[in-house]
Amino acid sequence: GESVGLHLPTLSVQEGDNSIINCAYSNSASDYFIWYKQESGKGPQFIIDIRSNMDKRQGQRVTVLLNKTVKHLSLQIAATQPGDSAVYFCAESSYGNNRLAFGKGNQVVVIP
Amino acid sequence: GAVVSQHPSWVICKSGTSVKIECRSLDFQATTMFWYRQFPKQSLMLMATSNEGSKATYEQGVEKDKFLINHASLTLSTLTVTSAHPEDSSFYICSARVGTGKETQYFGPGTRLLVL
Repeated sequence: GESVGLHLPTLSVQEGDNSIINCAYSNSASDYFIWYKQESGKGPQFIIDIRSNMDKRQGQRVTVLLNKTVKHLSLQIAATQPGDSAVYFCAESSYGNNRLAFGKGNQVVVIP
Repeated sequence: GAVVSQHPSWVICKSGTSVKIECRSLDFQATTMFWYRQFPKQSLMLMATSNEGSKATYEQGVEKDKFLINHASLTLSTLTVTSAHPEDSSFYICSARVGTGKETQYFGPGTRLLVL
């Protein structure tokens, strides 16, 4: 059933500022990581991915950083826009494993 | 590319009825599709992995007889919620994996199920 009183970590950011969303993972065998964006009532949308042989990857207005030493992943969004308001999930998998393990999600609220 | 559709987008049904949800990969062939369930303000919970031409692999705690999965072609997987009850009300999302070597999953828009 539904959980009552569950709150997602929320990041409020002024339009035009940069956003940083963090994610910690626990499986040291994970070698592939993805960030997804989910708007209310919609399915997750692929943003960017990174493999464990890299520590940084850039896309359009987004950068993913991977620190394998401390098992930490972050997503940076440059010049945040109102359309960036959503819940952001990190996901991880390991080689040969079909499945993705999702993090708990971070809500980003962009203030116009 | 890599577009996944779901039908219906929302459904309301009476307790005890069965509901079928379709997941289609529109511009690619997907040998593997996945079914997730999501409650409000929670993360996605994998229910099962659907492989074309073979039986689905269910996650621990997911009832196989309750959630029937069929992956009859490379572009279509279906999830049937049998004898639905109010606690089955949720947001059901499918995803498809592109190719056989890449782990990236592309998600459908989701289906909102409300069981009265």
